[in-house]
Amino acid sequence: GDSVTQMEGPVTLSEEAFLTINCTYTATGYPSLFWYVQYPGEGLQLLLKATKADDKGSNKGFEATYRKETTSFHLEKGSVQVSDSAVYFCALSPNSNSGYALNFGKGTSLLVTP
Amino acid sequence: KAGVTQTPRYLIKTRGQQVTLSCSPISGHRSVSWYQQTPGQGLQFLFEYFSETQRNKGNFPGRFSGRQFSNSRSEMNVSTLELGDSALYLCASSLEGVATDTQYFGPGTRLTVL
Repeated sequence: GDSVTQMEGPVTLSEEAFLTINCTYTATGYPSLFWYVQYPGEGLQLLLKATKADDKGSNKGFEATYRKETTSFHLEKGSVQVSDSAVYFCALSPNSNSGYALNFGKGTSLLVTP
Repeated sequence: KAGVTQTPRYLIKTRGQQVTLSCSPISGHRSVSWYQQTPGQGLQFLFEYFSETQRNKGNFPGRFSGRQFSNSRSEMNVSTLELGDSALYLCASSLEGVATDTQYFGPGTRLTVL
């Protein structure tokens, strides 16, 4: 079945450091890929998404490119801030028009220190 | 525009009881999905409803069921509660439930089974 594997945390970085969180997937067909973020005390929010191969999703300085050849969707940010401290989830949904059925990775906790 | 609301926010039950959780989607959204979040298993998809029909179902036992009403509000029911059902139950809504939509999550219902 479909699955998502993302790097285990916690990840600790200094402010202004470069961030990469790795995410790879296994799926039949052509899934859509997502990054969600959960800030402390808040609900899950969509960070960015890509619905087809080679698409790049971007938001708030974060980027991820849908790589079909390597079945990856790594999250990157050039310069992290303390406010980026959160748990990040990679997810996929079958690429169909028959409804969301998100399959999430385990989540990666990010702590950014001043 | 009001976000996704879930009631109750917290619930304590004992083993063997049953529980009903409620979700009100964003106005105009017709797709509602349910997820279970636990420290051990992470985020797992339960089911998705669109126009009162269950379109997708995750790998959960039959004790977990749901329904959607004509106003798109949804409920999920867990019968014969087990200790392992203790979790944060998240509801999410989107316009049509397709990947080009954005799915918005509610704050969740924290269920504790004693």
